[in-house]
Amino acid sequence: DTGVSQDPRHKITKRGQNVTFRCDPISEHNRLYWYRQTLGQGPEFLTYFQNEAQLEKSRLLSDRFSAERPKGSFSTLEIQRTEQGDSAMYLCASSSSGPRYEQYFGPGTRLTVT
Amino acid sequence: ELKVEQNPLFLSMQEGKNYTIYCNYSTTSDRLYWYRQDPGKSLESLFVLLSNGAVKQEGRLMASLDTKARLSTLHITAAVHDLSATYFCAAYFTGNQFYFGTGTSLTVIP
Repeated sequence: DTGVSQDPRHKITKRGQNVTFRCDPISEHNRLYWYRQTLGQGPEFLTYFQNEAQLEKSRLLSDRFSAERPKGSFSTLEIQRTEQGDSAMYLCASSSSGPRYEQYFGPGTRLTVT
Repeated sequence: ELKVEQNPLFLSMQEGKNYTIYCNYSTTSDRLYWYRQDPGKSLESLFVLLSNGAVKQEGRLMASLDTKARLSTLHITAAVHDLSATYFCAAYFTGNQFYFGTGTSLTVIP
């Protein structure tokens, strides 16, 4: 049973550097979501893909963040010119088309910006 | 404004007791989700509630949805230590966006 996987699990970077995270969803799922979670908070929606199309993007997502899902399978989330406020857990989730839209979450990538 | 609010934020309860966690959401939603998160881990799906009056039960947990009141509840029956975790509700709003509550940190004391 292959669930959602994310890589790397941990990333420490210096302020101003670029980082890229990868998410591999459950293979038959065509929907993919990225979230950010900080300590003591619930996950905050960042962006959503249906197949390769990025259909929704949070207004909170600064232009330093970009996400892709080039062939409708894995996805990448890149943060350019990282800031200390970007330190968080980045979660990826996938789901099938519906009607339940039940999301299955990956283990997350913990980013620390020093 | 799209918002999901949970209460209480922290809950300490004795083993064997019952309690309810409340989840209110700000606008129409026909899909409500409950998740469990253990410290340092990712989220585990517990329940998916798809219609008004929906009730789902799994072990000592029971979730319900009242779409007219924009309210979902997660009821814990005869709590045991293994239920200690943070519980999140999330509402699906039009535009394929899921909004999560801030979570309820549950500690079950022997």
